[in-house]
Amino acid sequence: DAGVIQSPRHEVTEMGQEVTLRCKPISGHDYLFWYRQTMMRGLELLIYFNNNVPIDDSGMPEDRFSAKMPNASFSTLKIQPSEPRDSAVYFCASSLSLGTDTQYFGPGTRLTVL
Amino acid sequence: AQTVTQSQPEMSVQEAETVTLSCTYDTSESDYYLFWYKQPPSRQMILVIRQEAYKQQNATENRFSVNFQKAAKSFSLKISDSQLGDAAMYFCAQNSGGYQKVTFGTGTKLQVIP
Repeated sequence: DAGVIQSPRHEVTEMGQEVTLRCKPISGHDYLFWYRQTMMRGLELLIYFNNNVPIDDSGMPEDRFSAKMPNASFSTLKIQPSEPRDSAVYFCASSLSLGTDTQYFGPGTRLTVL
Repeated sequence: AQTVTQSQPEMSVQEAETVTLSCTYDTSESDYYLFWYKQPPSRQMILVIRQEAYKQQNATENRFSVNFQKAAKSFSLKISDSQLGDAAMYFCAQNSGGYQKVTFGTGTKLQVIP
């Protein structure tokens, strides 16, 4: 299996622009997670999906952030409008259906907002 | 609420020597899993080892082993015969049965000295 795939690997944009991050989970995994990693706050869970349905979005920082999962093999995290404080590494992870199963992480997207 | 604490921001070890990374956690759940993830400079999160709380036996994966002390809520990682490729950030993580949210520690940066 190819593992979790994320694109782009690096994104540089200007404040106010819309940013869309993409994720393809491992085939057969029922859960998909979006994380943000910064030096100040460490690794934070933003939102997770079960069978394409958002279950918990309490970690989404504000309304500028939105996430979708239109099908089992694709998810997006959108920031509109972007701000410099959104600069971080964003990870997507997926896991099988069991509640305590291992999460497999993608390589991350490094976002820089100027 | 779940908490995971890694009290060692940085550690160093001589190549071929043994090092132990500490982790403590707090949860009210009786069924949970514990993980150690490695994040090398490539930023990808890689699962190193996992432990089921109901198992008495400490998990081992080649040169990596854990010391799981359930009563003390302690979960340390021992790396034997350290190699240069072991240099990375190491994150301790926990999630609870039937509840997919994973809580990560703040990480320990391991340096391996040739």
